[in-house]
Amino acid sequence: DAGVIQSPRHEVTEMGQEVTLRCKPISGHDYLFWYRQTMMRGLELLIYFNNNVPIDDSGMPEDRFSAKMPNASFSTLKIQPSEPRDSAVYFCASSFVTIETQYFGPGTRLLVL
Amino acid sequence: AQKVTQAQTEISVVEKEDVTLDCVYETRDTTYYLFWYKQPPSGELVFLIRRNSFDEQNEISGRYSWNFQKSTSSFNFTITASQVVDSAVYFCALSDTGRRALTFGSGTRLQVQP
Repeated sequence: DAGVIQSPRHEVTEMGQEVTLRCKPISGHDYLFWYRQTMMRGLELLIYFNNNVPIDDSGMPEDRFSAKMPNASFSTLKIQPSEPRDSAVYFCASSFVTIETQYFGPGTRLLVL
Repeated sequence: AQKVTQAQTEISVVEKEDVTLDCVYETRDTTYYLFWYKQPPSGELVFLIRRNSFDEQNEISGRYSWNFQKSTSSFNFTITASQVVDSAVYFCALSDTGRRALTFGSGTRLQVQP
């Protein structure tokens, strides 16, 4: 089976531009998580969904960030407008039934100039 | 609140040495899960092990072994006869019924020299 798929793998953009990150979870998994990894803050949760419904978005830094999960096989994380401090690696993970093992995608490395 | 502490920022060993990575956790929940993930230089996060709070049996998988001790809130990871391919950043993580996402430690960078 395919693992978690993320696109793009790398994104370079200029400050003020809109950025959209995409994630396809493992088929059958009912939880989807977005994490961000930076040198300063390490790995931190941004938001997670259960059966396509957002459950905890307390980690979303500010209104510039938004996430959606229109169906069980697709989620997006959008940053509008982007800022240099948003530069990080963004990981998507999925799991089957809460607290079960989370499997991570390869990550999207975002650089905002 | 949950917290995971990995006090060792970086460890350097010579190939074939044994090495132990420490992990101490805090949670108020009685039901929780502990994890170890490996992040090689390529950047992906690779799942290694999951342990639930009711299972304190130690586990061995090849050269890897894990020591879970509830009395000291620790979940340590030992690599026996380390190899260069073990060089990576290793993360300990925790989830519980109060917060279902993972809380990660800051990671331990392991460098295995040939």
